[in-house]
Amino acid sequence: AQKITQTQPGMFVQEKEAVTLDCTYDTSDPSYGLFWYKQPSSGEMIFLIYQGSYDQQNATEGRYSLNFQKARKSANLVISASQLGDSAMYFCAMREGPYNQGGKLIFGQGTELSVKP
Amino acid sequence: DTAVSQTPKYLVTQMGNDKSIKCEQNLGHDTMYWYKQDSKKFLKIMFSYNNKELIINETVPNRFSPKSPDKAHLNLHINSLELGDSAVYFCASSNTGPVVNTEAFFGQGTRLTVV
Repeated sequence: AQKITQTQPGMFVQEKEAVTLDCTYDTSDPSYGLFWYKQPSSGEMIFLIYQGSYDQQNATEGRYSLNFQKARKSANLVISASQLGDSAMYFCAMREGPYNQGGKLIFGQGTELSVKP
Repeated sequence: DTAVSQTPKYLVTQMGNDKSIKCEQNLGHDTMYWYKQDSKKFLKIMFSYNNKELIINETVPNRFSPKSPDKAHLNLHINSLELGDSAVYFCASSNTGPVVNTEAFFGQGTRLTVV
């Protein structure tokens, strides 16, 4: 079964507008972390934001915020005031348990975001 | 200073050859990983090493052999390369422990092309 699902293969957004990238996850572990990474066309993986399963508040990092809905098992990334440089592939990822699985990240399929001027 | 560096960035080689990719991290992390990104951009864990000990071997063909001489280095050796091995290989590092909130830092990736 897919543990991380990103249902939007591609998204377009107008510059300066906000955009939401969807991510749903599946785990029975009470302790887990959710991460978003950005992969621009140059290929590197850039960490954006983290949300822990026990965190009471939604994570925010600058223009990035994470809309965490635990009961629905969703962890959507919101990018406010989109910029041309935000055009990239975005990956949602999960790490389960404190010592479980050797710390590996499980990735979703990715969403390719294009910001239009 | 580069946190996680892997070399080479590009690798083009013929089928049947043996090649190595090297990775070093200067973050003091206790865990290092190899991930494979396929042509559809899907990222999947291959190996995880914690303090030089193999923790995860995610059903990778035994032509792939990781080696960790110390906790700052994790190399990947691939024997008898096949066309299907063409992909981008990422090295990453993180700390693992009682909490899951430590992000993984990735190297810049090695684009392997087998011809």
